[in-house]
Amino acid sequence: KAGVTQTPRYLIKTRGQQVTLSCSPISGHRSVSWYQQTPGQGLQFLFEYFSETQRNKGNFPGRFSGRQFSNSRSEMNVSTLELGDSALYLCASSLAVSNEKLFFGSGTQLSVL
Amino acid sequence: EDQVTQSPEALRLQEGESSSLNCSYTVSGLRGLFWYRQDPGKGPEFLFTLYSAGEEKEKERLKATLTKKESFLHITAPKPEDSATYLCAVQGAYGQNFVFGPGTRLSVLP
Repeated sequence: KAGVTQTPRYLIKTRGQQVTLSCSPISGHRSVSWYQQTPGQGLQFLFEYFSETQRNKGNFPGRFSGRQFSNSRSEMNVSTLELGDSALYLCASSLAVSNEKLFFGSGTQLSVL
Repeated sequence: EDQVTQSPEALRLQEGESSSLNCSYTVSGLRGLFWYRQDPGKGPEFLFTLYSAGEEKEKERLKATLTKKESFLHITAPKPEDSATYLCAVQGAYGQNFVFGPGTRLSVLP
């Protein structure tokens, strides 16, 4: 069974640009969550999608947005990038909303210059 | 606000030297406490879920325990392949999102 796939693996952008990250969950998993991981703040919850609807949202500005497609694949978008957005962005899939067991992808390492 | 702290920040052990990692939490009604392992360049990997005080779970050299205020991850006779960052997370009773701690970076030297 294939795991959670995130693309791209690495990304370099400049301030002010926007970026789109992609996540394909494990087959059969309908919930996708996004997390930001930085050395200073650790893992912080961005949002969770289930059946194409956002179910939970963390404390991030509106520049961070996401969506989920009918095949459960998800994308997150960050507009007007800031230097502080440099981080590892992790996607996790699970069978249901706020399910206890998360399966993480290897992440997208975003560097904003 | 739900909070999770972990100690120590980093731990260096000799192979075979047992020790414990601590996770302290405050949450408005605990639905579950979770331990994950994260290797460099990879996403976290699920280890255990604990639901109530007094509960224990074991997997190979790892044993997780839970009290009303904290959880411990005991590592017995560790091997170099146990080197990783261990993350603790909580989920409140209302099924909201997970809150992760900062992690403990464990190094086991041969």
